[in-house]
Amino acid sequence: AAGVIQSPRHLIKEKRETATLKCYPIPRHDTVYWYQQGPGQDPQFLISFYEKMQSDKGSIPDRFSAQQFSDYHSELNMSSLELGDSALYFCASGSRLQEKLFFGSGTQLSVL
Amino acid sequence: GESVGLHLPTLSVQEGDNSIINCAYSNSASDYFIWYKQESGKGPQFIIDIRSNMDKRQGQRVTVLLNKTVKHLSLQIAATQPGDSAVYFCAWEDTGRRALTFGSGTRLQVQP
Repeated sequence: AAGVIQSPRHLIKEKRETATLKCYPIPRHDTVYWYQQGPGQDPQFLISFYEKMQSDKGSIPDRFSAQQFSDYHSELNMSSLELGDSALYFCASGSRLQEKLFFGSGTQLSVL
Repeated sequence: GESVGLHLPTLSVQEGDNSIINCAYSNSASDYFIWYKQESGKGPQFIIDIRSNMDKRQGQRVTVLLNKTVKHLSLQIAATQPGDSAVYFCAWEDTGRRALTFGSGTRLQVQP
């Protein structure tokens, strides 16, 4: 079965650079969620989209933005990167008909 | 959202034993709970879920128990295997928001 696809798998950036993470949800899923997971921490909700519109907002910094496109893929844009942004970034997709979320394998972002 | 924590950050069990992972939640309005398993370098993987109108749900080798009186959730794994070694997170759907909020993870180590 198709799963949530994230790219890139690993990303290395320097401070003050920008990064773009991509997420391709499971086909026919209408909702996408972004989570940030620091080392040894639980995933923290950043932002979500339903039918290409922003749905909920969590602890997402103002330096970050995201959008969902017409083909339902989503991108998380991160600017003015800081060392503390180093983390695993997960995308999850789901359907409004059920609460269960399916997670991708994540993008490991390292800010040097 | 309100925070949820797990009592034990690391649980070590012998292969073949039963494992119990606990989670205490404080949001009494939550009506959906879920357990995820996260292996190193991978995204959270769905294990089992339960709604607040139930107090027990069984899956294959796993059972989730929900005690709404004391706001306690537990995951029982029968005949624990080395492949069960991972970090386990409880999560719940926050009131008024579709996104899941994660509790602190518990690392399960299975000794052969």
